[in-house]
This record gives sequence, C-alpha cells and structure tokens, in this order.
Amino acid sequence: QITLKESGPTLVKPTQTLTLTCTFSGFSLSTSGVGVGWIRQPPGKALEWLALIYWNDDRRYSPSLKNRLTIIKDTSKNQVVLTMANMDPVDTATYYCAHQRYNNAWYPLDYWGQGTLVTVSS
Amino acid sequence: DIVMTQSPDSLAVSLGERATINCKSSQSVLYSSNNKNYLAWYQQKPGQPPKLLIYWASTRESGVPDRFTGSGSGTDFTLTISSLQAEDVAVYYCQQYYTTPYTFGQGTKLEIK
Repeated sequence: QITLKESGPTLVKPTQTLTLTCTFSGFSLSTSGVGVGWIRQPPGKALEWLALIYWNDDRRYSPSLKNRLTIIKDTSKNQVVLTMANMDPVDTATYYCAHQRYNNAWYPLDYWGQGTLVTVSS
Repeated sequence: DIVMTQSPDSLAVSLGERATINCKSSQSVLYSSNNKNYLAWYQQKPGQPPKLLIYWASTRESGVPDRFTGSGSGTDFTLTISSLQAEDVAVYYCQQYYTTPYTFGQGTKLEIK
C-alpha cells in the first residue's frame, strides 16, 4: 500500500526559503522505474507541476521556477525534499507530492499525499 | 511547455445525464514507439488531493466506475461521464505526462443542474 505525506512549515516570510519533505511508504526510490514529484495548487486555482526526481537521481524542474527549486532524495529515509528559494506571497498554495512508476511505459502520478498548505506572509 | 486547454471551464448537468469535458494539447502527446497517448484525467473534490481516473487517454484506473470514459488521440481528448451521479460533483483536470514539465489543464468545474 503506497502512501505519501507532506510536511513543512505552514507559514513562511517573503524572501525566505521553503523546505518541504515528502515521506513515503510502500515503495522505494532505489527501485528502477520509480519517481516522486511535487505539484502545487494556489487557493481556488489550478494544479501546477513543480519538480520530479527519479530512482536514478535524474531531476526535472518546471522551467519557470527552475532557478528557485531544488529536489533531492534520501532513499534510506524514504523521503524526498523540495526547497524553494525566495518565497513570495504568490507562492501561497497547497503543496502535494505524488508517486510515478514505469512498467513497460510511464504511468501518470497515481498516488498523492493529502497536501500541505503553505502561506507566504510577513 | 505543452499547453493544456480544457473546455468548458464549468458545466452543469442534471443527475443521470451525460457530462462531457474536452482537453486539447498544444502538441501531440502520442508516443509513437508504443502508440500510447500520455494523457491523464484527475478528479478533485474540495479539500482533497486529485484522484487519478484515466491514464493513457482511455485506461480506467482500478476502482473507477465504468461511467467514466476517456477518449481521443494526439492533441484532442474527451472525458465522458455517462450518467452523472451526485458524488461526481468535482473539478476535473487533464494532464499530459508525455514530457516534463507535466502540465495540467485549467480545470473544469462540474455541478448538478
């Protein structure tokens, strides 16, 4: 049974760096064909894909946010960490992590965490 | 980036009637080597994360009722709910996972008429 859970601060100040942790179970990021991604959703708005890291440490980022994002994995802890620098009030959103797998072809993001709301305000 | 455009933005349908949501991608998401369209549909209810309904444009995720059907290929896709139930009230998103960044449509809000 695959589960994911996001954790991190609920409130950050403008210009600060946000650090979010996705702790998962039911799979390993050392297994070939597995990835974990981050997606965010401002209140009342659409989903926005942010970043993804694969089992082989291949990392992909949203081009519009690439300069601000870093994604890393800790396979021993079953965690993926996303950092976003220089936070702004427009970055206020619910942040989700999600699982992706490959089995003869790539599947979409199939298991999602419940999300964590991050508010950016002074 | 591949731009995903959904229509309509909102939709009101009577219980038991058909609901149709369209999604168009700015470039093809058909992977020629395996003839699969890398297009997914998600359902999101208030306060919940998105739930995967359909992948590869037309494959229903395990446990998804068969009233949900995905169709289309290349750049044009459709999600059809054959007989709307009260529990289907939600926002629906299409997403391409053909190439990163994996982009989403703007969402379609489905309500009961």
